[in-house]
Amino acid sequence: AQTVTQSQPEMSVQEAETVTLSCTYDTSESDYYLFWYKQPPSRQMILVIRQEAYKQQNATENRFSVNFQKAAKSFSLKISDSQLGDAAMYFCAYRRRGQAGTALIFGKGTTLSVSS
Amino acid sequence: NAGVMQNPRHLVRRRGQEARLRCSPMKGHSHVYWYRQLPEEGLKFMVYLQKENIIDESGMPKERFSAEFPKEGPSILRIQQVVRGDSAAYFCASSPVILDYKRTDTQYFGPGTRLTVL
Repeated sequence: AQTVTQSQPEMSVQEAETVTLSCTYDTSESDYYLFWYKQPPSRQMILVIRQEAYKQQNATENRFSVNFQKAAKSFSLKISDSQLGDAAMYFCAYRRRGQAGTALIFGKGTTLSVSS
Repeated sequence: NAGVMQNPRHLVRRRGQEARLRCSPMKGHSHVYWYRQLPEEGLKFMVYLQKENIIDESGMPKERFSAEFPKEGPSILRIQQVVRGDSAAYFCASSPVILDYKRTDTQYFGPGTRLTVL
């Protein structure tokens, strides 16, 4: 069975600084997708970034980028120029590819706090 | 285009009562997923439905829980005879039909329903 592990329950960063959130996963599949979701205090789940496992290039979305290491099964999220609005719980998630309707498997999350 | 809608946002029930949670997917989306988030935990998959069909209910507790997605109207997650352990946030997500095998159907989440069982 696939599992997703986030080993940092809490992280903190100062405004304008850079922070990296860690995620590792375990799967025997070779083709899959990885996601980072943000959950602010409102509890709304917001998609931050996604990565296709077959792509070697790391995904980027503005200030958010990932470091995808397929062999190591590692998928970290880097937030540059951190802003107060980045404070939230961040979830790493895995999904098999090639089959519609496959469920997301989530890690337990990392709470990020941002100080001014 | 309105996002995924869930109601109610907060629901309080006493032990033994029934809870009904509703989810209206995004316009044009025909796939609905339900997830449960216990305190201090990540989201756990419960059930995946298409219109009038349950496709995967492998994450659904065997008793007291049921889900439907009728031809008309929202998807409903129903919990009978609630117990304190059912207290959690329940999230619905929807995705469109993707005919291209090489693409994935990103799941868009609603705001969740927070169920409290007294």
